[in-house]
Amino acid sequence: AQRVTQPEKLLSVFKGAPVELKCNYSYSGSPELFWYVQYSRQRLQLLLRHISRESIKGFTADLNKGETSFHLKKPFAQEEDSAMYYCALKAYSGAGSYQLTFGKGTKLSVIP
Amino acid sequence: DTGVSQDPRHKITKRGQNVTFRCDPISEHNRLYWYRQTLGQGPEFLTYFQNEAQLEKSRLLSDRFSAERPKGSFSTLEIQRTEQGDSAMYLCASSPRTGVVADTQYFGPGTRLTVL
Repeated sequence: AQRVTQPEKLLSVFKGAPVELKCNYSYSGSPELFWYVQYSRQRLQLLLRHISRESIKGFTADLNKGETSFHLKKPFAQEEDSAMYYCALKAYSGAGSYQLTFGKGTKLSVIP
Repeated sequence: DTGVSQDPRHKITKRGQNVTFRCDPISEHNRLYWYRQTLGQGPEFLTYFQNEAQLEKSRLLSDRFSAERPKGSFSTLEIQRTEQGDSAMYLCASSPRTGVVADTQYFGPGTRLTVL
């Protein structure tokens, strides 16, 4: 069965400092990984997906199949980055169906 | 707002009562998902529809849980004989099947259920 692990429940960094939110996964198939973000009082929204290889709001994430990781990084944290971040793995469950398996999330707090 | 909508946003019920939640996906999205989220956890997948067909329901938590999407548009999630352990946020998401953002799931605001 697939699994997503986010080892840090809470991460506090100072404004301007680099940020790295860790995500490790376990999956027997070819993985597709996502980062979702939830700002205060807002709905869960997609931040980025690994197949797009894009940078959103200064965040990047590289899929490392050898280390089964998909860490989220940003070189300089901003106060508006404070939010809950979830790593998610897309897994196929047959009959044309698939699901997202989420980690428990990491709360990022950027200190002014 | 043209995003995914859910109704009600909050529901308080007594143990043993039945509850039904509604989800209206983004209009052109043919895929619809239900998740449950409890405190301190990420969303947990429950079930998946492609149009009106429920292709995955093995993750529904018990036979007290059921979901429908009768015309391939809105969906309902029903919990019968609610228990205190059912208290959680219930999330709905939808995704298009094709296009640049195929399979990207867009989430609704959720329905928070409290069972007394």
